[in-house]
Amino acid sequence: EVQLLESGGGLVQPGGSLTLSCAASGFTFSSYAVSWVRQAPGKGLAWVSVISSSGGSTFYADSVKGRFTISRDNSKNTLYLQMNTLRADDTAVYFCAKYGSSSVKAFIDYWGQGTLVTVSS
Amino acid sequence: QSVLTQPPSVSEAPRQRVTISCSGSSSNIGNNAVNWYQQLPGKAPKLLIYYDYLLPSGVSDRFSGSRSGTSASLAISGLQSEDEADYYCAAWDDSLNGVIFGGGTKLTVL
Repeated sequence: EVQLLESGGGLVQPGGSLTLSCAASGFTFSSYAVSWVRQAPGKGLAWVSVISSSGGSTFYADSVKGRFTISRDNSKNTLYLQMNTLRADDTAVYFCAKYGSSSVKAFIDYWGQGTLVTVSS
Repeated sequence: QSVLTQPPSVSEAPRQRVTISCSGSSSNIGNNAVNWYQQLPGKAPKLLIYYDYLLPSGVSDRFSGSRSGTSASLAISGLQSEDEADYYCAAWDDSLNGVIFGGGTKLTVL
């Protein structure tokens, strides 16, 4: 059974930093692209970033480019999102998501339950 | 502002059929496959349709998808109360070099 367990969310002040983690199990982590998708309170889904299976390719939404860094450790089956210079509009539930293949242009087939990040003073 | 346009809401009676549209452009739907997700209240999204019309294992065949030109649609037949949820389309965008989601459509089963 595929499981994606996010952690690291919480309350952070504007301008602060936070690192999210996603522990994956139930599949060969190193064979699939993985992604972060967020959802602001009461709003729709917004794609944040994706990383290829090897970690060699990364892509970001314009809204987070230069502030967020996605990375993965295939030896630990773990996905990360380093978030810097956080703003109030980064407040959202952040979902870890597995792709259906190694391609970053494929579909997301599994989602974690999400971790809430609140940016507020 | 979403690059993929969906109606904010649709409603239909039980046992009827409803369609949800998703409109994009040549850089996304016009050149890449569309995927659909269902999000029940308070839950994580779930893959409903992938590569325009394929059903993942375990998804009811009451759901179907199609894509033509720069638009796609999701159809749900034999509506049930359990289908009440938010539905999102998504596609890769070649200009943005990333995934874009539609704004979401809230389905109400009357």
